[in-house]
Amino acid sequence: DAGITQSPRHKVTETGTPVTLRCHQTENHRYMYWYRQDPGHGLRLIHYSYGVKDTDKGEVSDGYSVSRSKTEDFLLTLESATSSQTSVYFCAISRDRANYGYTFGSGTRLTVV
Amino acid sequence: QQPVQSPQAVILREGEDAVINCSSSKALYSVHWYRQKHGEAPVFLMILLKGGEQKGHEKISASFNEKKQQSSLYLTASQLSYSGTYFCGTEYGGGSQGNLIFGKGTKLSVKP
Repeated sequence: DAGITQSPRHKVTETGTPVTLRCHQTENHRYMYWYRQDPGHGLRLIHYSYGVKDTDKGEVSDGYSVSRSKTEDFLLTLESATSSQTSVYFCAISRDRANYGYTFGSGTRLTVV
Repeated sequence: QQPVQSPQAVILREGEDAVINCSSSKALYSVHWYRQKHGEAPVFLMILLKGGEQKGHEKISASFNEKKQQSSLYLTASQLSYSGTYFCGTEYGGGSQGNLIFGKGTKLSVKP
């Protein structure tokens, strides 16, 4: 009954390969987000979505793209993975940004070697 | 525009109180507070909207000073379960400004 799941939970990939992370929600929330978390930086917004096919960039979007073809799925793609993209990636959902908090997924630990 | 949290870390004994501050140089629309335990996802604690309201959650409460663009999180009579890293997330308005920008976090350790 998590409401939000991320896959995979762990991934090791080689530099230069494309990687796609998936976020799936069962809450029918409008807003979905991708954050990365690195020591000393906290959580930084990569991309967000405010509806099906409606997405926009966050503060650290270079090297990433997203797609949302269905309300429940938000995909994050690293077009050509680099070592600087080694991080923990969190997806979050929100019903309404003004009055509700975010619910985070369990995270994906990505290592680029 | 990342909010600044202070202190960066704090160590408490069970039963002691703590205050964590979150400051912004830009006018705030709302402030969120989250707690993250090691290896887990952040968990939402509370949201405060501009207007200076104070909210409570168990023995954890928070305030929002709109004039100072600052929010404070109060943890009273701390328990071992309060250990973790606390993040504030600030929101500056509608549209793209409505996304949360998180501080770097405050690591709280509660010792027996």
